[in-house]
Amino acid sequence: EVQLVESGGGLVQPGGSLRLSCAASGFTFSRYWMSWVRQAPGKGLEWVANIKQDGTDKYYVDSVKGRFTISRDNAKKSLYLQMNSLRAEDTAVYYCARDDYASGSVWDWGQGTLVTVSS
Amino acid sequence: DIQLTQSPSFLSASVGDRVTITCRASQDISRYLAWYQQKPGKAPKLLIYGASTLQSGVPSRFDGSGSGTEFTLTISSLQPEDFATYHCQAGWTFGQGTKVEIK
Repeated sequence: EVQLVESGGGLVQPGGSLRLSCAASGFTFSRYWMSWVRQAPGKGLEWVANIKQDGTDKYYVDSVKGRFTISRDNAKKSLYLQMNSLRAEDTAVYYCARDDYASGSVWDWGQGTLVTVSS
Repeated sequence: DIQLTQSPSFLSASVGDRVTITCRASQDISRYLAWYQQKPGKAPKLLIYGASTLQSGVPSRFDGSGSGTEFTLTISSLQPEDFATYHCQAGWTFGQGTKVEIK
């Protein structure tokens, strides 16, 4: 059974930093693109970033470019999102997700971790 | 960038009803469209990918169709567990969601 377990969310002041982690199990982590997708309270889903199997290609939504960094450690079967210069509009539940590159869809989702940016 | 427009944003229906949700893309995306179901406080769940392929374990009352710029998700006979929000997705973009509530 595929499991994706996020951690690292919490309350942070504007301008602060957080590092999210996602522990993966139940599949060969190194074979899949992985993503972070977020959902602001009462809003729709927004793709934040994704990363190729070997970490060589990374893509970001424009609103987080230069502030967020996605990374992975295949040996530890873990995905990360370093978030710097956080803004109120970054407040959301952040989901770790396993991508299916061929279909362009997200096959599995973690339970999510809440990030609240507020003073 | 692709834009996806779902309609309606909200619909009220009864158990047993046939329900159809539409997702329109701003450009031709062939059949690269997925549908997700999300219940309150839970992560989304993949229902359909490739516009019409049912993910393993998804009941056959869910059906996806379309190609190019227009797509539909149909629930043939709404069940109590189907009351949720449905999202379409293509590339980096998600639709704004359709909330299906009990009439």
